[in-house]
Amino acid sequence: QVQLVESGGGVVQPGGSLRLSCSASGFTFSDYGMHWVRQASGKGLEWVAFIRYDGNNQYYADSVKGRFTISRDNSKNTLYLQMDTMRAEDTAVYYCAKAIMTAHFQYWGQGTLVTVSS
Amino acid sequence: EIVLTQSPATLSLSPGERATLSCRASQSVSSYLAWYQQKPGQAPRLLIYDASNRATGIPARFSGSGSGTDFTLTISSLEPEDFAVYYCQQRNTWPLTFGGGTEVEI
Repeated sequence: QVQLVESGGGVVQPGGSLRLSCSASGFTFSDYGMHWVRQASGKGLEWVAFIRYDGNNQYYADSVKGRFTISRDNSKNTLYLQMDTMRAEDTAVYYCAKAIMTAHFQYWGQGTLVTVSS
Repeated sequence: EIVLTQSPATLSLSPGERATLSCRASQSVSSYLAWYQQKPGQAPRLLIYDASNRATGIPARFSGSGSGTDFTLTISSLEPEDFAVYYCQQRNTWPLTFGGGTEVEI
């Protein structure tokens, strides 16, 4: 069965950096686009970034463009999110998700909590 | 960006009743709309994609309809495990966007 396991969350100071990882199993990782979606506590869902199956195309939400970078290593079945110049409003649970029809979210990980605070 | 407006914000119903949730887009999204269910402390789960296609393993009591700007998620007869928050999401245009959610409560 499909499994997505995020890691790398934690507490970071404003202006700092963090890298999230998402380890995938149960499907051919290199055949599918992947996403990051976040959710602040008690709030709704916000799409963050997408990367195509081969890593050649990426899309970002305006709120993270220029600060976050999505990447993948198909040899390791792993998705990444490099988060730089972080802000308090980046505090959220971050989910990785496997794409269906490119841009719907078929399977989700359990999420990793990121807190930006001094 | 495309704004998705869900209504009502909260739906108070009893098990066995029919639930009708609405999602309206600020501009046409064709049929590129999905619905997700989220329970407290859990990740969202895909229910419906491309307006009316049930995802793998989703019971037949969940159905989706609509196109253009107006969409509906119907739960034909609520089971106790269906009380949750439901989100719609469009994939017609980047950036991808979600609605604000509808809570279905007992």
